[in-house]
Order: sequence, then structure tokens, then C-alpha cells
Amino acid sequence: KAGVTQTPRYLIKTRGQQVTLSCSPISGHRSVSWYQQTPGQGLQFLFEYFSETQRNKGNFPGRFSGRQFSNSRSEMNVSTLELGDSALYLCASTGLAGRETQYFGPGTRLLVL
Amino acid sequence: AQSVAQPEDQVNVAEGNPLTVKCTYSVSGNPYLFWYVQYPNRGLQFLLKYITGDNLVKGSYGFEAEFNKSQTSFHLKKPSALVSDSALYFCAVAPYGQNFVFGPGTRLSVLP
Repeated sequence: KAGVTQTPRYLIKTRGQQVTLSCSPISGHRSVSWYQQTPGQGLQFLFEYFSETQRNKGNFPGRFSGRQFSNSRSEMNVSTLELGDSALYLCASTGLAGRETQYFGPGTRLLVL
Repeated sequence: AQSVAQPEDQVNVAEGNPLTVKCTYSVSGNPYLFWYVQYPNRGLQFLLKYITGDNLVKGSYGFEAEFNKSQTSFHLKKPSALVSDSALYFCAVAPYGQNFVFGPGTRLSVLP
């Protein structure tokens, strides 16, 4: 099976812009979670989607949003980018929501200038 | 609140020696515990998990982890370290009905 894919792999944006990141889960997986990884804060949970519904949400401002499509692909959007949004954004998929093993994609590295 | 601690930011070990990366957790209920490894510019790779049963869990690449309920620990171990094991290691807990909680990570350096 193909693994989790994320596009694009690298992005450079300027403050105030918005960005959309995409994640395609492993075939058959229905749950997608998003994380932000920074050197100072480590891995922080953004949100989880299962069957097109947001099931859990982390402690991030409303500028961070996401959605999931009927084919389980997911997108996350960050509006009004700030310098502090520079990070590696990881998505992970599981077959079902809950405590199953999460399988991670390679990440999208976002640099905000 | 659920939390995971990895008390060592950095662990250095000589190639061929045994390695241990420590993890302690705080979670209500029965924990599901995981170890992941991250190589530079890569996503996290699953190594092993504990759900129930035998306290010694075997995983990928010769790694194993020991669950200790009384000490609320889940230390990662390998009998003989390889230089290629050098990476960032994350412990995680999956509380029931909630998202994964990851520890801050431990950087392992295996010296030739």
C-alpha cells in the first residue's frame, strides 16, 4: 500500500498570506490527524477528521482550519500567516478514529517570511 | 490532564552498546502507548505499541519497550545500538476518546 502523502513538501509564504496543505491518507484509512512540529513546541495536535467530521481539535487559533473530503483526503488551511506559523506540518492517518496506530506522511515544511 | 515526559533531551551511546530512551506518562484509564522515530526531514515512523498483555513489546528494527504500570513508564530499548539508529524518538500516549499526546522527543546519537 502506498503511504501517506502530503503536498506540497515545501512552501515559502509571506506574512498575511494564506496557505492550503493537502494530505492523502493510506488507502482505506478514514481518519486523518494534523500536527504542527516546531523546535520549541514539539509536536502539537491541530485537529482530527473522521468521515468528513472534525472529531477533536487542539488549542490553535481559528486561523487554522481543516476539512476532509468523501475520499478521506484532507486539507488544512492557515489564514493570515504569522512568522510563528513556520513549522513542519504533519498529517497522520489511521483506519478508524481512536487509539489505532497513526501512520505519518513526510510533512510539509512551511516557511513564513 | 494527559501528559508524556521524556526526561532526557539527548542520549549518547557507543555503537554496539545497549540503549535506553526513557518515557513516563500520566493518563487516566488504560493507556495505549507508542514509540515513533523521526529521521531528518522525514515524518514519524511507527516503531511499536503497547495495548495490553505482555509488558515487553517487540517492534521494528530490533527495538523493544518495557511497560511498567507501577512506575507509569514505557522505556524504549535496544540490545546493541547502530549508528543508523541516530534520530529523534517520540513517545506517545493515546487516551481513550482523545487525540494522541506526544512527548517532547529525545535525540539519540550513536557514536561509532
